[in-house]
Amino acid sequence: AQSVTQLGSHVSVSEGALVLLRCNYSSSVPPYLFWYVQYPNQGLQLLLKYTTGATLVKGINGFEAEFKKSETSFHLTKPSAHMSDAAEYFCAVSARGNQGGKLIFGQGTELSVKP
Amino acid sequence: DTGVSQNPRHKITKRGQNVTFRCDPISEHNRLYWYRQTLGQGPEFLTYFQNEAQLEKSRLLSDRFSAERPKGSFSTLEIQRTEQGDSAMYLCASSLTGIDYEQYFGPGTRLTVT
Repeated sequence: AQSVTQLGSHVSVSEGALVLLRCNYSSSVPPYLFWYVQYPNQGLQLLLKYTTGATLVKGINGFEAEFKKSETSFHLTKPSAHMSDAAEYFCAVSARGNQGGKLIFGQGTELSVKP
Repeated sequence: DTGVSQNPRHKITKRGQNVTFRCDPISEHNRLYWYRQTLGQGPEFLTYFQNEAQLEKSRLLSDRFSAERPKGSFSTLEIQRTEQGDSAMYLCASSLTGIDYEQYFGPGTRLTVT
């Protein structure tokens, strides 16, 4: 069975500092990997995804993530945090192939950005 | 394209009542998913449809929950005899079938059972 672990339920950074949100997955076959962001009382918005090809993936709002098969990780980074980045971030996986589709989410990491 | 819409956005009900939520997916998307999110947790998969066929149901979906997608367009999620533990955000998402099944989420329906 697939699972996702996000290390740290809350991360706080200063504006302009590096953002690093950690995600590790468990799967017998490398899955598709996603990062979503959720603002208060809203649905989820896709930041970026990894399906195949280049392991460094760039997303919206300056975020990127690197798929490391040997470490079963898909950490999310942003070089310089902005106040508007404060939100809840979710890492998710789905199985490859026709049985895929449903997303398995981590428990989320709340990002706070201090001025 | 207006994205995925959900109605109502908020629902307060008394324990034991039945509630029904509606999800309208992006028009050309043939897959539709329901998730439940409780406070401080990630969304949990409930069920999904491909066109009008319900292809998978989570064990989280007790007999009190039923979902339909008649004609493969909008979907409804009904909860019968609501319990306080049903209080959560119910999220709907839709996607095309394809290599990575990228899902687009609606704003959710927040259910409070008193």
